[in-house]
Amino acid sequence: AQSVTQLDSQVPVFEEAPVELRCNYSSSVSVYLFWYVQYPNQGLQLLLKYLSGSTLVKGINGFEAEFNKSQTSFHLRKPSVHISDTAEYFCAVSDWNAGNMLTFGGGTRLMVKP
Amino acid sequence: DGGITQSPKYLFRKEGQNVTLSCEQNLNHDAMYWYRQDPGQGLRLIYYSQIVNDFQKGDIAEGYSVSREKKESFPLTVTSAQKNPTAFYLCASSIELLAGGVDTQYFGPGTRLTVL
Repeated sequence: AQSVTQLDSQVPVFEEAPVELRCNYSSSVSVYLFWYVQYPNQGLQLLLKYLSGSTLVKGINGFEAEFNKSQTSFHLRKPSVHISDTAEYFCAVSDWNAGNMLTFGGGTRLMVKP
Repeated sequence: DGGITQSPKYLFRKEGQNVTLSCEQNLNHDAMYWYRQDPGQGLRLIYYSQIVNDFQKGDIAEGYSVSREKKESFPLTVTSAQKNPTAFYLCASSIELLAGGVDTQYFGPGTRLTVL
């Protein structure tokens, strides 16, 4: 069974500073990786996904993530955050054998301070 | 405007009562899912359905039941057998990839259930 670890439960950062949210997964087979964002009391919205091809994936709202197979990581980055980026961020993984099933990490709460 | 709707947004229930959460989608997706979210935790899969009239248990199905009579609808019933039902419930849908691979799951806005 796969597992996903988001190493930081909370990440405080000042507005306009860069941020990195870390995600590591356990699977050694070909994987598909996702980052979702959740604003308070709302559903999840897809930020970006890696299915194949370039290991650097660009998403919405200026976010990007890099797939690193050797380190089994898929860290999310943004060069300059805004107050509006304050939310919960979830990393999720699937693989060819899992159908369309996703395994989610525990989430990272990004808190952007003025 | 395509999407997933969940109702109600907030739901209160007395202990011992069954309650049904609604999930409707107009994305023409075959697959639908129910997740449970607890504070500080990720999402855990309750049930999923890949096609009408068929559904499978997820990781935490005990105390829950579902039906899939229509492609657009996948209601979740939280029964009195669920020991700790207070949580945020999320419904999702996706296309069904019978030949393998993966595609994006799209989520509804969620229902917050509180047991009094």
